Amino acid sequence: QVLLQESGPGLVKPSETLSLTCTVSGGSIINYYWSWVRQSPGKGLEWIAYAYNSGTTSYSPSLKSRVTISLDTSENQCSLKLTSVTAADTGLYFCARTSSRSHFYFDNWGQGTLVTVSS
Amino acid sequence: EIVMTQSPATLSVSPGERATLSCRASQSVSSNLAWYQQKPGQAPRLLISGASTRATGIPARFSGSGSGTEFTLTIISLQSEDFAVYYCQQYNNWPPFTFGQGTKLEIK
Repeated sequence: QVLLQESGPGLVKPSETLSLTCTVSGGSIINYYWSWVRQSPGKGLEWIAYAYNSGTTSYSPSLKSRVTISLDTSENQCSLKLTSVTAADTGLYFCARTSSRSHFYFDNWGQGTLVTVSS
Repeated sequence: EIVMTQSPATLSVSPGERATLSCRASQSVSSNLAWYQQKPGQAPRLLISGASTRATGIPARFSGSGSGTEFTLTIISLQSEDFAVYYCQQYNNWPPFTFGQGTKLEIK
């Protein structure tokens, strides 16, 4: 059984950079697509970005200027960096897996990590 | 960006009855639509992909239909564990992949 576990700082100050990690256990991250999806009361579920095999990435146009996603195949992890955070970036951040680029639904999710942006 | 609109926002149904949830896309997404169930404090769980294909382990009382811009999730013989929030998601035109705002299915 493949398990996804997100981790992060919990609290981030405005204008700082948010860094999150998704650790995958029970299977390899190679040959799967790994996304970050966030959930906030105001905007529901919002896809942020995906990474694939350490070389391919895609970003939501609305966040592209502030986001970097990457994979560490040696550690079986997916990481997300979000710069210049504001209160609007507060929410629950999920890591999610997709098996096929042509059928890009999310078949496995982590439990999420809560991020609060506040001074 | 494709906008997904779900209706109603809240649906009240009695256990044992049928629930019908709707999802509309702002432009055609073919059959590239998924449905998820989310319970409080949990991650979303994939129910349906390709508009009508149940994910592994999903009971047959869940069914999806539709194509293009209009989609429906039907749950027959509602069980207590089915009361949750349901989301649709399109994966036809991206980036970005987009979700509906959710329908809360509550006990009547």
